[in-house]
Amino acid sequence: EVQLLESGGGLVQPGGSLRLSCATSGFTFSVYAMSWVRQAPGKGLEWVSSISISGANTYYADSVKGRFTVSRDNSKNTLYLQVNSLRAEDTAVYYCATDRSGWYKDSWGQGTLVTVSS
Amino acid sequence: EIVLTQSPATLSLSPGERATLSCRASQSVSTYLAWYQQKPGQAPRLLIYDASNRATGIPARFSGSGSGTDFTLTISSLEPEDFVVYYCQQRSNWPLTFGGGTKVEIK
Repeated sequence: EVQLLESGGGLVQPGGSLRLSCATSGFTFSVYAMSWVRQAPGKGLEWVSSISISGANTYYADSVKGRFTVSRDNSKNTLYLQVNSLRAEDTAVYYCATDRSGWYKDSWGQGTLVTVSS
Repeated sequence: EIVLTQSPATLSLSPGERATLSCRASQSVSTYLAWYQQKPGQAPRLLIYDASNRATGIPARFSGSGSGTDFTLTISSLEPEDFVVYYCQQRSNWPLTFGGGTKVEIK
């Protein structure tokens, strides 16, 4: 069974940083691309970032480019998202997802909440 | 950036009725479009990919169609658990984008 478990969210002040993690199991992590998608409270889905199988290729939404960094550790079956220079509008539940069918999100974690507030 | 516009924002129907949800792209995405279902308090679930292919375990009452800029998700006969929110997503171009969602509510 595919399992994705996000962690690392929390309350942070504007301008602060967090490192989100997504621990995976139940599939061969090292052969699939991965993504982060977020959802602000009461709002729709917003794609944030994706990373290729090896990690050599990364992609970002314009809203986070230069502030967020996606990475992966295939030896630990874990995906990461370093989020810096946080703003109030970054407040959201952050989901990690597998991209096993092209860049479609076919399995999702339950999300980790990031709240940016003073 | 490709903008996906979903309509209607809210669809009011009764159980057993047919639901037709629309997703329109600002430029052609070929058939590189997916549909997701999201229940309250849960993560989204992939329903349809490449416009018309059902994902693993998805009931046959869900079907997708379309190409280019106009796409449709059809639920042939609504079950009580289908009254939730649906999103489309394109993978034709970076950045990946989602539509704003359609809420299917009980009439």
